[in-house]
Amino acid sequence: QSALTQPASVSGSPGQSITISCTGTSSDVGNYDFVSWYQQHPGKAPKLMIFDVRNRPSGVSNRFSGSKSGNTASLTISGLQAEDEADYYCTSYSSSNTLLFGGGTKLTVL
Amino acid sequence: QVQLQESGPGLVKPSETLSLTCTVSGGSISSYYWSWIRQPPGKGLEWIGYIYYSGNTNYNPSLKSRVTILVDTSKSQFSLKLSSVTAADTAVYYCARIPVNCSGGGCYPNWFSPWGQGTLVTVSS
Repeated sequence: QSALTQPASVSGSPGQSITISCTGTSSDVGNYDFVSWYQQHPGKAPKLMIFDVRNRPSGVSNRFSGSKSGNTASLTISGLQAEDEADYYCTSYSSSNTLLFGGGTKLTVL
Repeated sequence: QVQLQESGPGLVKPSETLSLTCTVSGGSISSYYWSWIRQPPGKGLEWIGYIYYSGNTNYNPSLKSRVTILVDTSKSQFSLKLSSVTAADTAVYYCARIPVNCSGGGCYPNWFSPWGQGTLVTVSS
């Protein structure tokens, strides 16, 4: 199974919006609404930010939103803040009953 | 709230078996999937496998021949064994809970939350 494809890095200035893409196939992202997103700060465990494509867990800022079109899911962060600088990973359920991670995207807040 | 804590040796010799335990506290181990994920230094996350509280498992095909995940509901623990390790298995190993998502006639392991803090395992002689 192949990992999901994410851009290696994205950047934005405080207050701006950025979008991170996560591209899979018709066997995973395209066939199931089971995409989740995680934020990971250096030396810390990942934190769930979005589940089931677009749902936010309690306590996660509404500046974080998720969407999906075809085989590509996206995470959008609006009103960028310095604390958003971190690595972001997507995950999807796959038809082989397995779970796939994206390669990760490093977000830099300029 | 539910908390997870990994434990086990931080150093394993090449060709030996890596063994880790995840202890679940503050909640029941029943009715969830439980998973292991790893992250080599400076690299991305890799899903290793999961186990349902009843004992059903599924593993990453790239690791399947070397991985065993077991659950002990009486101790609220699940464990990971990875055999024939090499330096490439050096990583931070995380355990995490996966809620069961039932829809459309099926039940699916879905997102990981919460996570343990992670434990670094180094493979070296």
